[in-house]
Amino acid sequence: QKEVEQDPGPLSVPEGAIVSLNCTYSNSAFQYFMWYRQYSRKGPELLMYTYSSGNKEDGRFTAQVDKSSKYISLFIRDSQPSDSATYLCAPTFNDYKLSFGAGTTVTVRA
Amino acid sequence: DADVTQTPRNRITKTGKRIMLECSQTKGHDRMYWYRQDPGLGLRLIYYSFDVKDINKGEISDGYSVSRQAQAKFSLSLESAIPNQTALYFCATSEGVGQPQHFGDGTRLSIL
Repeated sequence: QKEVEQDPGPLSVPEGAIVSLNCTYSNSAFQYFMWYRQYSRKGPELLMYTYSSGNKEDGRFTAQVDKSSKYISLFIRDSQPSDSATYLCAPTFNDYKLSFGAGTTVTVRA
Repeated sequence: DADVTQTPRNRITKTGKRIMLECSQTKGHDRMYWYRQDPGLGLRLIYYSFDVKDINKGEISDGYSVSRQAQAKFSLSLESAIPNQTALYFCATSEGVGQPQHFGDGTRLSIL
């Protein structure tokens, strides 16, 4: 069993829709939770970074962490074609050994 | 200019060849990392370095070696390349404790 499981997708949504992305993890020691966005032929870029359980909002993006159920979510509101990318969850118990999910590819149709 | 630069961006080579991938950064970060990305597997850590004298194996270090030539430079070597090392390779840096990692744009490596 992988340490981090991520819904593989792909997801295709119309512009303006809410995109919901999810990961589950098995290591209860994870305390930092990151979401990266990766455009085609580019490196991952940090999108959201949270510590411990709770919600964090940044513009159209909301990250949720539920440590009791070991569940991580990322929501994108009012999705735009520029949000079309692969999204990677990356929980960790320290800040240097990230455990990446396999990624979910999202396409937002204009 | 990019903060984390990887060279080359693409490389095709043959089984058994020695290959070096290079990474340089202008962010002034002490910590540097090498990952490989395979479809369906996500990114996996190969080696990481906290400073020039501190280098550590990651999850999948077999078949790879690294050299930290300076704070800003971290290279990855495949001494004798094999086809299952075909992958996307990423270098990353971070500032320190609790700080996120920043990635380069990757090297696409194909071993025939």
